[in-house]
Amino acid sequence: IAGITQAPTSQILAAGRRMTLRCTQDMRHNAMYWYRQDLGLGLRLIHYSNTAGTTGKGEVPDGYSVSRANTDDFPLTLASAVPSQTSVYFCASSDGSGSPTDTQYFGPGTRLTVL
Amino acid sequence: GQNIDQPTEMTATEGAIVQINCTYQTSGFNGLFWYQQHAGEAPTFLSYNVLDGLEEKGRFSSFLSRSKGYSYLLLKELQMKDSASYLCAVSDSNYQLIWGAGTKLIIKP
Repeated sequence: IAGITQAPTSQILAAGRRMTLRCTQDMRHNAMYWYRQDLGLGLRLIHYSNTAGTTGKGEVPDGYSVSRANTDDFPLTLASAVPSQTSVYFCASSDGSGSPTDTQYFGPGTRLTVL
Repeated sequence: GQNIDQPTEMTATEGAIVQINCTYQTSGFNGLFWYQQHAGEAPTFLSYNVLDGLEEKGRFSSFLSRSKGYSYLLLKELQMKDSASYLCAVSDSNYQLIWGAGTKLIIKP
C-alpha cells in the first residue's frame, strides 16, 4: 500500500471510555498531524509531530494525547471521552522539510461518536 | 487572531466557470493551499501559491494577492464530479496550516 491508513473507520463510544485512534503511513514522512473536522468549522490541529520522538500541541489539544515512537505510527488517545469530542478525525503527514511547499497528505478519517 | 474566510456554499452549472474566494489574516505567511474534499472523504491537495499571480493547472487555476490577503480558486468547464468542498489553508509563520471552513460547491446539470 502507499499512503496513510487510519483505524477504526468509525466508532461509537460511551462517555468516559478510553479510545486510541490509529494512524500509519508508509511514505517515510517526517511530520505527522492529527486534525478534527466539525461541521461549519475548518480543520483544527490537535497535535503534531515534526519527527519521530517529538510531539507538539496544536490549536485544540485538551483531552487528547499522542506519541511518536517511530516514523510510521502516530496514535491519538482520548483518555476519557466526552460528547464534545464527537467529530471526524483526520491524520495527515508531510515530508517535514520545513519548506513552504511541504504538502500534507490525509488519511481517510475516523468518524467518532461519543454518547 | 488568525482568520480565513470563504463563502459557505456556491452553486454553478455544468460546463460553466466558478470562482471561489478566500481572504485571510494570519501571523506570518508562508504560502496558501487549496484542497478538494468530496463528501465523506479526505481532503486532497489541489494547488499552492506563495508568490502573487496566477497558477494554472489544467481546468483549475489559483490566484494570490499577498498585499490584499486574498486568493481565489477558478474552476473551468465544470463537471459533475467537481461537486465537493474546497478548503483554503494558509501556512503561518510556524509553517502550521490555518484552515478555512470550506466552500461547498454544488454543480447542477
